[in-house]
Amino acid sequence: DIQLTQSPSFLSASVGDRVTITCRASQGISSYLAWYQQKPGKAPKLLIYAASTLQSGVPSRFSGSGSGTEFTLTISSLQPEDFATYYCQQLNSYPHTFGGGTKVEIK
Amino acid sequence: EVQLVQSGAEVKKPGESLKISCKGSGYSFTSYWIGWVRQMPGKGLEWMGIIYPGDSDTRYSPSFQGQVTISADKSISTAYLQWSSLKASDTAMYYCARLSSGYNEDYYYYMDVWGKGTTVTVSS
Repeated sequence: DIQLTQSPSFLSASVGDRVTITCRASQGISSYLAWYQQKPGKAPKLLIYAASTLQSGVPSRFSGSGSGTEFTLTISSLQPEDFATYYCQQLNSYPHTFGGGTKVEIK
Repeated sequence: EVQLVQSGAEVKKPGESLKISCKGSGYSFTSYWIGWVRQMPGKGLEWMGIIYPGDSDTRYSPSFQGQVTISADKSISTAYLQWSSLKASDTAMYYCARLSSGYNEDYYYYMDVWGKGTTVTVSS
């Protein structure tokens, strides 16, 4: 199985901050990576797929980059509604594993 | 509207069987894979497996192979996740999600439509 390691697992930030989350794959996955946002008690929501393609309706302050084994999700200016947990997922090969998650909390 | 509607919360005893469902609407159910994802209390997302309702082709995570069965009934646009003998450790939220694809010099996959989840509680 391909392992995905997210860092940090927790971060505290303020509204307006630029936030970067990293996802590292245990082997190369090209650009077969998606990012999701999950708020408490809710289902995950797709933000980005193909490592850098913004899903329709997702604000442009979210962006993704990377290929191979290292990927980043960036929020350019954190908004109150962005406080949530973020997960990466690889869709290069089965099983389509998820990273452990990064919880973004208010400083 | 494209949506996946999951069955309601379940409370079961260890050793009991269970089948939960995920009904798709607003799109061609037989043309998209449906995946199942577990989230144990306070924990992260775990990919369990996936089924293509068009021909019932199914793939499992090794962690869940033999522990659960994924199936689908395309005549009623519904996918299922079932257990033959539940354990306390099966207590979790279970989500179904549609696997879609986009093309950008290659086909890329992603889970774009999610059900609201089914809570399964297993306790004696």
